[in-house]
Amino acid sequence: DSGVTQTPKHLITATGQRVTLRCSPRSGDLSVYWYQQSLDQGLQFLIQYYNGEERAKGNILERFSAQQFPDLHSELNLSSLELGDSALYFCASSRLGLAMNTEAFFGQGTRLTVV
Amino acid sequence: GEDVEQSLFLSVREGDSSVINCTYTDSSSTYLYWYKQEPGAGLQLLTYIFSNMDMKQDQRLTVLLNKKDKHLSLRIADTQTGDSAIYFCAASLGGSYIPTFGRGTSLIVHP
Repeated sequence: DSGVTQTPKHLITATGQRVTLRCSPRSGDLSVYWYQQSLDQGLQFLIQYYNGEERAKGNILERFSAQQFPDLHSELNLSSLELGDSALYFCASSRLGLAMNTEAFFGQGTRLTVV
Repeated sequence: GEDVEQSLFLSVREGDSSVINCTYTDSSSTYLYWYKQEPGAGLQLLTYIFSNMDMKQDQRLTVLLNKKDKHLSLRIADTQTGDSAIYFCAASLGGSYIPTFGRGTSLIVHP
């Protein structure tokens, strides 16, 4: 158990809909990362939040957005869903302080199926 | 941006050594990682190496880094059936530590 909790584990929804994926980082971790894992694209970095603020952006579509709340949990919002958005969405967290921590701990992922 | 390449499959016999190879493009990558993903599970960090190191050993795992060729390898000694999984190589984006992942190598261990 990595200590990173993602809910829900599975999600099935229709095209055009909007969903929210939730991530609770490990206790004390300030950074949250979102990744998308699909068969054709592999594991793609989407976005990172650090202590409530967006820190880095990767290959995240405009239809997707994320935020990190004061209690450090994060949500990834996916809207106007398309069939191609079906993937496993991972959240990871790491502890950042005065010294960079190189370890990112991953949750078990949310499997999103768009039908 | 960073590009990380690795072969998709590796099949070995139980007890043999496995070597999984990876190449990356960003010479400013500071951290290089190996993650393991078992079926239905998230990614588990196995080991990492700083770019100023050539080798790191951790029990049955040996990581070799050739920074000139931007080549990273993971050697698993005495491979067991429980080592069957997908192994991801990752390199930090230049100037940061956010891992950019390869597509993963499926390691199949035969009894």
